[in-house]
Amino acid sequence: GAGVSQSPRYKVAKRGQDVALRCDPISGHVSLFWYQQALGQGPEFLTYFQNEAQLDKSGLPSDRFFAERPEGSVSTLKIQRTQQEDSAVYLCASGEPVSGYTFGSGTRLTVV
Amino acid sequence: AQRVTQPEKLLSVFKGAPVELKCNYSYSGSPELFWYVQYSRQRLQLLLRHISRESIKGFTADLNKGETSFHLKKPFAQEEDSAMYYCALSGWGSTDKLIFGTGTRLQVFP
Repeated sequence: GAGVSQSPRYKVAKRGQDVALRCDPISGHVSLFWYQQALGQGPEFLTYFQNEAQLDKSGLPSDRFFAERPEGSVSTLKIQRTQQEDSAVYLCASGEPVSGYTFGSGTRLTVV
Repeated sequence: AQRVTQPEKLLSVFKGAPVELKCNYSYSGSPELFWYVQYSRQRLQLLLRHISRESIKGFTADLNKGETSFHLKKPFAQEEDSAMYYCALSGWGSTDKLIFGTGTRLQVFP
C-alpha cells in the first residue's frame, strides 16, 4: 500500500479486556516497529521486527504485551487484561531509521 | 543512558520571527539525529536528519557533538509551521530503535 495502515483508529476497552491492534506496513519493508505514546509524551519504543523475527522486545512494559508478525508483513500487538495505564496511542512504523521511518496514524486505546 | 531532552513544551512566535527548537541528547557512541514533525490531525513524519545536511521547508539543524545538541532553526517562521516537533536519535548505521524527546509545540501567530 501507499503507507502504513493501522486499525482500529480508536479502541475503548473495559479494564481487564484483551485487545488486538493491527499494523499493515509498507509493502517490502523489512523492519517494523511498535511505539507507545502516552498523553503529552514522545513515542516510546516497544518492539522491533525484522521480517518475521522479533529481534528486540525490550520496550514491552509487561508480559501482558505480546507482538507478532508471523509472515513478515502484517503485525499484531496484543494487550491482555488491559489496565488504565495502557491508555495511549500505539504507533506502528516501517522502514529504516537512516532513511526515516514511515509512521501509521496510530490506534488510540482508552481503557475505562 | 540514552536520552533526548527537549526543554520547551511550547514555543510561541509571530509570523516572520526566527525560531529555534532546542534538543540535547545523551548517547554513548555516535548517534543519528532526526527531527520529526506532526501537523494537526496528521501522522508523525520525518522532517530532516543530520546526515543529509539538508534544509526542509526552510528548517535546518546542525549537530554539535561538543554540546550534544541538535537544535532546529528557521529564520522566518510561517503560520503553517505550527505543529508538534520531536527530536529523536538512533544508533549509527543500524536498524536500531528511535529514542524520542517529549516534543515541543510550535505556535506561529499571524
